[in-house]
Amino acid sequence: RKEVEQDPGPFNVPEGATVAFNCTYSNSASQSFFWYRQDCRKEPKLLMSVYSSGNEDGRFTAQLNRASQYISLLIRDSKLSDSATYLCVPTYNFNKFYFGSGTKLNVKP
Amino acid sequence: GAVVSQHPSWVICKSGTSVKIECRSLDFQATTMFWYRQFPKQSLMLMATSNEGSKATYEQGVEKDKFLINHASLTLSTLTVTSAHPEDSSFYICSAPAGSRYEQYFGPGTRLTVT
Repeated sequence: RKEVEQDPGPFNVPEGATVAFNCTYSNSASQSFFWYRQDCRKEPKLLMSVYSSGNEDGRFTAQLNRASQYISLLIRDSKLSDSATYLCVPTYNFNKFYFGSGTKLNVKP
Repeated sequence: GAVVSQHPSWVICKSGTSVKIECRSLDFQATTMFWYRQFPKQSLMLMATSNEGSKATYEQGVEKDKFLINHASLTLSTLTVTSAHPEDSSFYICSAPAGSRYEQYFGPGTRLTVT
């Protein structure tokens, strides 16, 4: 079983749409959770941390369900600049990051 | 957020030669840094953990004699690809943890092409 599983997409949505990404993880000992975005041929950049109670940062909302080992990211009012690959990262074990394939988002005009 | 730099940003080398890539934390100290590799249209793969003052630890399947890692100071880790072959051509990225939740900050990456 993979450590992190995400729908690879691509998700093709029009500007202004709301889109949700799901992520499941296998290690129940995971302690910290993050969403990163990676633009083509660039390094990953931290989008937001994910807290147990859920958290929101502008148009982005992250949720964590530890019992189901599930993380989600909701993007409202999509912008063209949101087009990227979104990576969920649960961490444990000396802070190592094991990435899944990520979910590709294409926002169309 | 914390800033991590890498040098060079791209390099072309001939088969059989060695290439050194530097990773620096610019505004924080990092006792641990990580090295990743990413092939086109694939996910980032963790190669090794670089530890300041001690040996690096490598992920399963990564040849430690081929990918030499040195963590010379609290702000610098280097990755040397020895006897490079065309199949080593890839995007190499480093990261370092910072912040209260040990989120990782990534360098801009080094694109290596071996001819």
